[in-house]
Amino acid sequence: ETGVTQTPRHLVMGMTNKKSLKCEQHLGHNAMYWYKQSAKKPLELMFVYSLEERVENNSVPSRFSPECPNSSHLFLHLHTLQPEDSALYLCASSQEGGPYEQYFGPGTRLTVT
Amino acid sequence: DQQVKQNSPSLSVQEGRISILNCDYTNSMFDYFLWYKKYPAEGPTFLISISSIKDKNEDGRFTVFLNKSAKHLSLHIVPSQPGDSAVYFCAASPDLGGSNYKLTFGKGTLLTVNP
Repeated sequence: ETGVTQTPRHLVMGMTNKKSLKCEQHLGHNAMYWYKQSAKKPLELMFVYSLEERVENNSVPSRFSPECPNSSHLFLHLHTLQPEDSALYLCASSQEGGPYEQYFGPGTRLTVT
Repeated sequence: DQQVKQNSPSLSVQEGRISILNCDYTNSMFDYFLWYKKYPAEGPTFLISISSIKDKNEDGRFTVFLNKSAKHLSLHIVPSQPGDSAVYFCAASPDLGGSNYKLTFGKGTLLTVNP
């Protein structure tokens, strides 16, 4: 595998379910991100991990819980979501200190029913 | 309040001609600017970037121009090819002393290049 991978690519869950999104980067980066992309809205930064420490939580509801066990893996644990949480969830990685480009995975299309 | 604005939701150009995608920003703290391209069912792909100390950066068919006084940047693609058809996102980041995580994205412009 190369680049940034995300699983699953599609997920349908009920409001009472608990599920997790997984991201893995194969680029040797030390910073990882979760973004949300809703229809007709810009990408919204949710969480940032740098050197496995959370450095940003962009006012995200507690029903989204990130986990970064090491610099290559990032999870987003989901529980009691709302239909308005349906969106494309994108993971990205970069190298702290530069260059500044973030590299994105293909995303998980989440539908909450 | 959108700090990065892409006011054209879509743009259509003929193959071989120039595509010009525009982006405006409001935050004077932004110091580094990037363009991403996104195909359907894929994540955004980094295309080209520019630091605020420059006013132009070129990479093959892609050139980004930055006008700091106008808080405006543009991406020029020449010549445009049908494979360039995608959504283009402008993004900006403040100088965080070497940290780069605070990217703010625009809503994107859908470019269609017609054969």
